[in-house]
Amino acid sequence: EAGVAQSPRYKIIEKRQSVAFWCNPISGHATLYWYQQILGQGPKLLIQFQNNGVVDDSQLPKDRFSAERLKGVDSTLKIQPAKLEDSAVYLCASSLDLGNEQFFGPGTRLTVL
Amino acid sequence: QKEVEQDPGPLSVPEGAIVSLNCTYSNSAFQYFMWYRQYSRKGPELLMYTYSSGNKEDGRFTAQVDKSSKYISLFIRDSQPSDSATYLCATEIQGAQKLVFGQGTRLTINP
Repeated sequence: EAGVAQSPRYKIIEKRQSVAFWCNPISGHATLYWYQQILGQGPKLLIQFQNNGVVDDSQLPKDRFSAERLKGVDSTLKIQPAKLEDSAVYLCASSLDLGNEQFFGPGTRLTVL
Repeated sequence: QKEVEQDPGPLSVPEGAIVSLNCTYSNSAFQYFMWYRQYSRKGPELLMYTYSSGNKEDGRFTAQVDKSSKYISLFIRDSQPSDSATYLCATEIQGAQKLVFGQGTRLTINP
């Protein structure tokens, strides 16, 4: 069974630029999560989708971050404009349904200069 | 105060040692407790999952939960160099569908 796929794996941008990350969850998984993991910290949930609907986006900085999951499969997370403090690993995870085990992708490491 | 506190380490022990990793949490509504292992440049993977107070054993790993003191532990017996990773504790409120992670403890097992 293929795992969660993410791209790109690494991204370096200047502050105030825009960036987008892509996630392909495990086939058949209804729930998709985006986490932010700052160096030396645990992952923090940014947004959670159930199929193509948002379940929880309470910790998403909506002035600069946006995410969508069209058709309830792939998802993209966008940052516009980026700030220095956005430097982190962005992890995508998926689960069969709400409350089931989450499987994480390898993450996208973002560096904002 | 963070909802889940975890000593970031780093922790370095010789091969074969017993390792003890610990977390405390502040919200008594947390009912599910997990330990994740995260290798360098990889995503976290679920190692242990427990619901009730007490011990749960899986091979060389034992997860322990004490809800009265809001304390969770992971013990690794006969530690191996392949156990070198960052270990993250996580908790979840029943029905909230939302994991809250500790900051992770970086562990190195020296051959």
